[in-house]
Amino acid sequence: DQQVKQNSPSLSVQEGRISILNCDYTNSMFDYFLWYKKYPAEGPTFLISISSIKDKNEDGRFTVFLNKSAKHLSLHIVPSQPGDSAVYFCAASKGSSNTGKLIFGQGTTLQVKP
Amino acid sequence: DAGITQSPRYKITETGRQVTLMCHQTWSHSYMFWYRQDLGHGLRLIYYSAAADITDKGEVPDGYVVSRSKTENFPLTLESATRSQTSVYFCASTTTGTGFSPLHFGNGTRLTVT
Repeated sequence: DQQVKQNSPSLSVQEGRISILNCDYTNSMFDYFLWYKKYPAEGPTFLISISSIKDKNEDGRFTVFLNKSAKHLSLHIVPSQPGDSAVYFCAASKGSSNTGKLIFGQGTTLQVKP
Repeated sequence: DAGITQSPRYKITETGRQVTLMCHQTWSHSYMFWYRQDLGHGLRLIYYSAAADITDKGEVPDGYVVSRSKTENFPLTLESATRSQTSVYFCASTTTGTGFSPLHFGNGTRLTVT
């Protein structure tokens, strides 16, 4: 049973435009959400996170939105750059009671075309 | 250099053989994790450790053994490798046990079981 789902395996956008990556979850006990970026032959690297007490968190070109009622979060990248081309994973945690264990989605491959 | 390193980067082994994947971190992080990445599943937690000599099962622990005699090392052993264990394995660490500290990942070990 996939508790965190990324239903779009891939996304292609033009450089300079907005990239929107989506993630849905089923477990209402999740209280912290993270996005990781992964380049080929490298490990995932942390990008941005959001606590369930917030509905938006911004860091430079990256913004994460959380809609708890819909159990949905999204990552917006504006403007998109070719270097953003990577696999993006969303992940969820049950917080302090979960000793840092994360549940990951399947990943979305983003291609930003010059 | 400080960080988290995994070895080997690539490994081919035969069904039934024992194989050990190594993980070493220089941050003195208390928590360490092993994940496997498979197409369609994202990353799934195999085992984790809260401190030296403290380990616990994750989502997919069957067929794996871990140990943590020193804080900086967290080896993962496949006691009798099976083809279903062909995967990319990532080791990760973090400073606290809450869901609010992002995991730092190594660059992975690609394991093929023939």
